[in-house]
Amino acid sequence: DQQVKQNSPSLSVQEGRISILNCDYTNSMFDYFLWYKKYPAEGPTFLISISSIKDKNEDGRFTVFLNKSAKHLSLHIVPSQPGDSAVYFCAATGGGSQGNLIFGKGTKLSVKP
Amino acid sequence: EAGVTQFPSHSVIEKGQTVTLRCDPISGHDNLYWYRRVMGKEIKFLLHFVKESKQDESGMPNNRFLAERTGGTYSTLKVQPAELEDSGVYFCASSLTGNIQYFGAGTRLSVL
Repeated sequence: DQQVKQNSPSLSVQEGRISILNCDYTNSMFDYFLWYKKYPAEGPTFLISISSIKDKNEDGRFTVFLNKSAKHLSLHIVPSQPGDSAVYFCAATGGGSQGNLIFGKGTKLSVKP
Repeated sequence: EAGVTQFPSHSVIEKGQTVTLRCDPISGHDNLYWYRRVMGKEIKFLLHFVKESKQDESGMPNNRFLAERTGGTYSTLKVQPAELEDSGVYFCASSLTGNIQYFGAGTRLSVL
């Protein structure tokens, strides 16, 4: 049973526009959420995170929103750039996972020039 | 500062053989994790070391997998004997506090 779900396997966006990647989770005990970016043949690279006590965290072009009541988080990238094209993984931790990350299956973002 | 280093980057072995993967974490990181991604599936947790001690090995698939971290520095993950379903990418990650984990490039294991 997947505890972290990324229901969109892929997303295509025009350069300069906003990219919105979504993630849902089922375990209400998760207390920390992370987004990782992955290029082919590389490991996941940490992008941005948010604690469950917050509802928004911003870092440059990247903003993560957390809606605890809906058990939903999203990553906004504004403006999108071709170099943002990668697979984005949502991950969660806490709730007895003892620090290990529970990952979604990923969303492949393609930013077209 | 060097990141997490994994060796080899790719290993091709036959069913029944033994393979040992190595991970060098970021210097000073006490927490070391192993994960695996099987084709088309999500990245899944295997085990967690704090220094040389196994904190959590609940994700290890079976007793054909053995992880060690002698001296609390680098770690090895041995698969013996390898089966076809062990094919995938094995990632190592390390962290200082436990929440933000930094990943290596992974070892792609192909069991034929």
